[in-house]
This record gives sequence, structure tokens and C-alpha cells, in this order.
Amino acid sequence: GENVEQHPSTLSVQEGDSAVIKCTYSDSASNYFPWYKQELGKRPQLIIDIRSNVGEKKDQRIAVTLNKTAKHFSLHITETQPEDSAVYFCAASTGTGRRALTFGSGTRLQVQP
Amino acid sequence: DTGVSQNPRHKITKRGQNVTFRCDPISEHNRLYWYRQTLGQGPEFLTYFQNEAQLEKSRLLSDRFSAERPKGSFSTLEIQRTEQGDSAMYLCASDIEAGVQGYTFGSGTRLTVV
Repeated sequence: GENVEQHPSTLSVQEGDSAVIKCTYSDSASNYFPWYKQELGKRPQLIIDIRSNVGEKKDQRIAVTLNKTAKHFSLHITETQPEDSAVYFCAASTGTGRRALTFGSGTRLQVQP
Repeated sequence: DTGVSQNPRHKITKRGQNVTFRCDPISEHNRLYWYRQTLGQGPEFLTYFQNEAQLEKSRLLSDRFSAERPKGSFSTLEIQRTEQGDSAMYLCASDIEAGVQGYTFGSGTRLTVV
């Protein structure tokens, strides 16, 4: 089955700096890669996603890049703000549509004011 | 429609008891998913419905777990003979086949088995 590894497990940055979180996946058939943000005690919320036919996608301060050959994808947050502090999860899905997601173990991002 | 609704929010039960959780997805979403999340970990897939059909089950879903979605709308997840290892947050999510948006998760049911 699919295996998703996520690094780092914790990340501390100064407000205004950039943050990068990296994930690797094992199943070359995976074709959908979402990122979720989860604040303490709250539900995971989708922040951005990318499909395997696209190499990069950007939404304001957030971008995701995908390298299918190397089987890794990354989340980039620029101009970080204290409200970006949360746990971020990457995930991968295999097959048509999104169906079951395999999640990484999460990255706790702390943005220091 | 305010999103995916899960009830109860919290459940404390004694080991060996049965528990049932309910999920009401976004009304136009025909796909519904159950995940389990333990502290410090990402959600783990349990099972998935398309309309009323249960199309996929994880190996994590032991014989003590059963899920239903009888009319293709709300779903229930039952755990029989609960064990302490079942303590976790049980998350429900929904989406629409061929939709462009990803999952919408509910707020979850936190189960504590004592």
C-alpha cells in the first residue's frame, strides 16, 4: 500500500520568513496530493491540492510543487504569519478520483512573532 | 447546510461496551469517508462509501467495527466490545465524485475508552 513520509516533524520560523514542508510517497500510481492544516482541537482543513498532471500550483502565499519522478511534493508558505501556526499534513491518493487518502505524520509549524 | 456534522462530539465509555457515532455529510456529497486520528498522528483511513455502497475498507477496520450508510445520506460507525486502543478521534469527511474540491472533514467524535 501507499506510504507517505513527511519532514520535518516540527518547524519554527520567524514571522515573515518562508516555511517549507516536504513529503515523499511510495506508490507511483498516486495522482492526487492535498495538504491539510489542523489547528489545535479543530478539524483538518484543505488548504491546497495538486494533481499528478501539474508540477506546481500557487494560491496567494501558499504553493505546492510535485516531482513525480522523485515521488516527492512540497508545501511552501511565504511571508509567514502567526496565524499560520498549526499542524500541516500532506496526503496522497491512488486511483481515479480521490477515494482513500494516506496521510503523513504531520509537521507542527510555529511562527514566532 | 453548514458542513459535515458529527455526533456526539465526545464519548466516554467503559471497556467492553458498544458505541455508535453518526456523521451527516454535506447534502450534495455522494461520497463519505471515516478516518481515525490518534494524538500526534495523521488521520488513518477506515472506510469509504459512495452513495449507500461501502466500496473500500482498511485492514485497520477489525471485525468489531462496522459502518453503514443505509440511504446514501448519513452514516453510522459502530464499535463493538471497545478496547482502550480504540481511544481516538473519529473523523468523517465527504466529497462529491468528480468534484474539484477536496474532502470536507467534520469536527470529529473523540472516543475515550476507560
